Amino acid sequence: DTEVTQTPKHLVMGMTNKKSLKCEQHMGHRAMYWYKQKAKKPPELMFVYSYEKLSINESVPSRFSPECPNSSLLNLHLHALQPEDSALYLCASSPRLLPGNTEAFFGQGTRLTVV
Amino acid sequence: AQSVTQPDIHITVSEGASLELRCNYSYGATPYLFWYVQSPGQGLQLLLKYFSGDTLVQGIKGFEAEFKRSQSSFNLRKPSVHWSDAAEYFCAVGSANQAGTALIFGKGTTLSVSS
Repeated sequence: DTEVTQTPKHLVMGMTNKKSLKCEQHMGHRAMYWYKQKAKKPPELMFVYSYEKLSINESVPSRFSPECPNSSLLNLHLHALQPEDSALYLCASSPRLLPGNTEAFFGQGTRLTVV
Repeated sequence: AQSVTQPDIHITVSEGASLELRCNYSYGATPYLFWYVQSPGQGLQLLLKYFSGDTLVQGIKGFEAEFKRSQSSFNLRKPSVHWSDAAEYFCAVGSANQAGTALIFGKGTTLSVSS
């Protein structure tokens, strides 16, 4: 199994809603990442988890709250988002923390629309 | 600071013609280099990677890339392009001197394939 699975694939939420994005991998990877990608732009790093501990938070607003309940699962909790937060949210995992002699595997993403 | 430059925003190639996508990086030590491909609305798929050793690396889908330290380049090539290769291509670098830093992406090159 070389997949990173993200659910849901599409999500529409209002600015007062609370929702969560889910990411799962069963490759035994110990590092997991959340990226945000706007249209026609490269992915931007949001959070990095290493061995289930938050390693990097790239100054992301508190309306985004990550959680890593176990080594296979990564969540991104969303609350009080703004329309400009609409984007493709990508999850990735790697056998060990980047950089180094390792590679990241990406999920298919969740297309989020905030209305 | 590490950075990746993809000079070409958009390239159009005829089906069956050869392809070269350019990537230049700025980095003080040995870089870890990657090429990813992204179809519209999809996640990123790793095409190939360079860590060390042979400077010509082979990837999936008939792609190859050559690492040239003297030119700080890692250009992607394919001898004969297929219509299904139309997509967004991202070059990325990982930093060996900043443990915990994830991938840094270039702005991407959009490849169109004409018949």
